[in-house]
This record gives sequence, C-alpha cells and structure tokens, in this order.
Amino acid sequence: DVKVTQSSRYLVKRTGEKVFLECVQDMDHENMFWYRQDPGLGLRLIYFSYDVKMKEKGDIPEGYSVSREKKERFSLILESASTNQTSMYLCASHPPRAAGNTIYFGEGSWLTVV
Amino acid sequence: EDKVVQSPLSLVVHEGDTVTLNCSYEVTNFRSLLWYKQEKKAPTFLFMLTSSGIEKKSGRLSSILDKKELFSILNITATQTGDSAVYLCAAITNDYKLSFGAGTTVTVRA
Repeated sequence: DVKVTQSSRYLVKRTGEKVFLECVQDMDHENMFWYRQDPGLGLRLIYFSYDVKMKEKGDIPEGYSVSREKKERFSLILESASTNQTSMYLCASHPPRAAGNTIYFGEGSWLTVV
Repeated sequence: EDKVVQSPLSLVVHEGDTVTLNCSYEVTNFRSLLWYKQEKKAPTFLFMLTSSGIEKKSGRLSSILDKKELFSILNITATQTGDSAVYLCAAITNDYKLSFGAGTTVTVRA
C-alpha cells in the first residue's frame, strides 16, 4: 500500500559531495514537493513541481536543485553538500485540488553531511 | 508572507491527561486548516477544517477552527503513550499551497 517512496532512508555524505534524493509516487499525481524538516522549524518547502519538466522554487531553494523528467519521479539534488544541509527531507505529492487526505508523504530521508 | 504558528513547541504530560494544541495562521487566500500526526516517519492526516465552529472528532481527538480569530485547536483527551508524536498544523490556500507550522512535540509519560 506504499504510495510515495523515498528510496534512500538514511544517508551519510561528505562535505562537497553531490547527493541525489529520489521520490517516486504511484498515484499519477501532477504535483510533487520537497520539504526539509528541522526541529523547531517545521516543514519548509524547497522546490515543487506541477508537471513534468516544470519546477518552481519554494521558500528555501538555495543549495538545491530538482529534476522531474517523468511524472512519477521527482529528484532533489544537492550539488555540493554542506553540513547545514544535514536534515530530514520529506517528499509529498497530491492531485491539483488537494485536500488533507489526498496529500501523501514519503517516509523521509535522513541526511547527515560530515 | 503566509505564516502558521503553533504553540506550545513541546509539552510533557502523563497518561490520562488532556492536551490542547494551538495553531494560529495569517494566510492570504485561506482555504482550510489541516492537522497531521508524525511519529518518526511520514505525517498521517488527522483533520481538515474548512468551516468555523464545527468540531471534528475522531476517537479521543477533536479539533475546531475559528476563522474570525484565525486559529485552530487540537484536543487530545485521556492521553496514551501512543499519542506521543509531533503534531503538525498546516494552512492550505485556494490555489492549494501549503504552509506548515513548526509542530508541537507531545510526550506522554506512563
């Protein structure tokens, strides 16, 4: 019954490494999102996409890029990882008219940059 | 800029206590207020509130929205250790953009 899959759950990377976080959804949703979650700050939107090859910056896009080549897959890329990008990353997807119970989240990817 | 503020940021209670979590919002083009429970994994949906003054209930959890004062509360009665989690509040706009609060961490001690 898995709907949003984040393939990498726990990663440890070195400063300066390129990091790919993958998110795949099986619900044919147009809209996909990447958030990072830090204690006391909640979920902050990094990037989102409303369709294939489309992307828009969220509130904290600096240091990140994204790729959406297929509808079901939305990748978050850290071109050169830094220690301040140590965080939990959550992917989400929903249809164009989202309601609370039609927003699906992945299990999260815990990234540590050393 | 849209803003969602949750309080308190954390609290510790004993089993059987009642907990009240607060969420205030300043959101342009507000549509609905959402509550989620998160236990070290994906947030799970609890409630969506669109109309003022109508309480939504699910077991020991209930929530209500006040659109005049721009806030919502989530109540948990007769708390159990399984209620320990981060509770997230989010506002959704008419163009379906989400803004999340920082979350309230609830710890229920046996």
